[in-house]
Parts: sequence; structure tokens; C-alpha cells
Amino acid sequence: DAGVTQSPTHLIKTRGQQVTLRCSPKSGHDTVSWYQQALGQGPQFIFQYYEEEERQRGNFPDRFSGHQFPNYSSELNVNALWLGDSALYLCASSFTGTRHYEQYFGPGTRLTVT
Amino acid sequence: AQTVTQSQPEMSVQEAETVTLSCTYDTSESDYYLFWYKQPPSRQMILVIRQEAYKQQNATENRFSVNFQKAAKSFSLKISDSQLGDAAMYFCAYKSGANSKLTFGKGITLSVRP
Repeated sequence: DAGVTQSPTHLIKTRGQQVTLRCSPKSGHDTVSWYQQALGQGPQFIFQYYEEEERQRGNFPDRFSGHQFPNYSSELNVNALWLGDSALYLCASSFTGTRHYEQYFGPGTRLTVT
Repeated sequence: AQTVTQSQPEMSVQEAETVTLSCTYDTSESDYYLFWYKQPPSRQMILVIRQEAYKQQNATENRFSVNFQKAAKSFSLKISDSQLGDAAMYFCAYKSGANSKLTFGKGITLSVRP
């Protein structure tokens, strides 16, 4: 049973560029959440997708957008990259059908903006 | 808004000894879940233990147990018989019953001395 997978593992971009990160949820999961983790900090919630729609959003600007596909996989897009966007981006999947909504995390994508 | 506070940035424990990691949270909700996640240098966030607020009994998973004090809004993690593989960053996280996002504390770095 494959867990949550993310690609790419590492990415280096220049200020002003755009980036797309990808996530495949754990088998049987239908909900994907994205988090940003700055170095030495706890993850911060970006947004969550369910049934191909953004269900909830954290305090992130519109430069951060996402998408969920019919197979439940998801993309995170960041436009006009800032140096401050350098972080570990974590994807977590869960199944909206149980009381617990337990989230399982992928290994993350390390984004460096220069 | 819910907040999670981990006031100890670092802790150290001797191998085979017991260590307790502290966490407090603030919420006005009555139905919620609390989690401890472990993040080793490999970056993968791993769920250690979960506590439902409606359960009075403290959760236990092998060497890991929690002390959940609902009135005090305290949720500490006890690791017994510490092993070298326990060395990692540990995050306390909160999730309300009607809200699937996780709110994390800043984390605590645990080192294990051989």
C-alpha cells in the first residue's frame, strides 16, 4: 500500500518564477491538505482540497493556488516566488468519511528560492 | 483561533530513560483531537499518537503515552525506554472536530544520549 508521495524532492527557483508541486494521496484517501514548513518551525496550513474544490484555506496570499484531480491527486502552484517562499512543502492526505480525519504526510518538497 | 504552544525548544534524554514533552493549547471548542507527530531528519512527518478530547482515558501506543488534562488544556507526551531512533523533532498538533486543518506547535528537538 503506497503512502503519500510528492514530487519533486528538491527544487531551486529564482525570484519571480512560478512553481508547481505535486502530491498523490494514500490509497483510499480523498482529501489533500498542503502545509508550508519554514526551517525550524511547525507546518502552517495552506489549503485543503476535497471533491476537486478548495474546502478550506489558511492565511496565504492568492499567489498560492491549487488543484485536485478526479483521481484525488493534487498540485500546489506558487506564482511570483519570493525569497520567503523557501520552505519544505508538505502534502497530507486523509479520508473524509471517518470521524478522525487522520492525516498522513508525504516526505515533502524542499523549495529554495534564490 | 486555536493555538498550540510548545515552550521547550530542546530536550535531551539518556538512552533507556523516560522523557516528557510538554504542550498546551487554547480552544473554545469541546470536540477536538490532539496529536503528536515525529519528524526525523528524513523530514517525513510520522503520527506518534492521537487523543480524542471526548475520551477521558489517556492514549497509549507501546512506549509512547500521553497525559491529557482537558481542563488545563495540556497534552504532554511521555516516551519510556528512550531509544536512539527516537531522536527527532516532535510536534504537538490540534484539530477540531468540524475543521480538518491541523494547527501545529513550533516543535521540540529531542536528542537521545547513548
